[in-house]
Amino acid sequence: LAKTTQPISMDSYEGQEVNITCSHNNIATNDYITWYQQFPSQGPRFIIQGYKTKVTNEVASLFIPADRKSSTLSLPRVSLSDTAVYYCLAPIYNQGGKLIFGQGTELSVKP
Amino acid sequence: SQTIHQWPATLVQPVGSPLSLECTVEGTSNPNLYWYRQAAGRGLQLLFYSVGIGQISSEVPQNLSASRPQDRQFILSSKKLLLSDSGFYLCAWSAQGPNYGYTFGSGTRLTVV
Repeated sequence: LAKTTQPISMDSYEGQEVNITCSHNNIATNDYITWYQQFPSQGPRFIIQGYKTKVTNEVASLFIPADRKSSTLSLPRVSLSDTAVYYCLAPIYNQGGKLIFGQGTELSVKP
Repeated sequence: SQTIHQWPATLVQPVGSPLSLECTVEGTSNPNLYWYRQAAGRGLQLLFYSVGIGQISSEVPQNLSASRPQDRQFILSSKKLLLSDSGFYLCAWSAQGPNYGYTFGSGTRLTVV
């Protein structure tokens, strides 16, 4: 089971780029890295997933170095509505992709 | 497109009363289904998951049970609620396989009084 470690909280200002780094030293060969976003009183929402190098979609970018022991979620030009908890997860490959959530990173975007 | 429905949105129940929360998925077949609980606004805890009808795996010992009577229906139950059962309950589904993202329902806020 790949344990992930990420900062408990981060502060930013509108318009800035935010990078949240997650460490996963014992990630298994077949495991992907997945990030979710959660607003208060809502279910988490899938943001992005990757295996190696860089993945980009309309919401974020995900950078995973060659050793795959860490990953960085990059949110370009954040707005107040990006204030949320962000979870870094490694779905358990040999258990059908089961997700075990940690505490996540509480991102606060200020005006 | 696929959708997930979860109800009720909020529930206040007395200690010792039974519980039944229902979750249904539309637009897909043979999904993996999950029940999570979130207490104090952080830390989702996986309670149960199911890979098929009648197949339930329990992650933690607790006062709750789950059932999957139909392919796209997942039910969370309790015979007698405890105060510690209060929390935000979330149902989720994913396609079969290890690299598919989860889609979560809108959640049920349960308060046991």
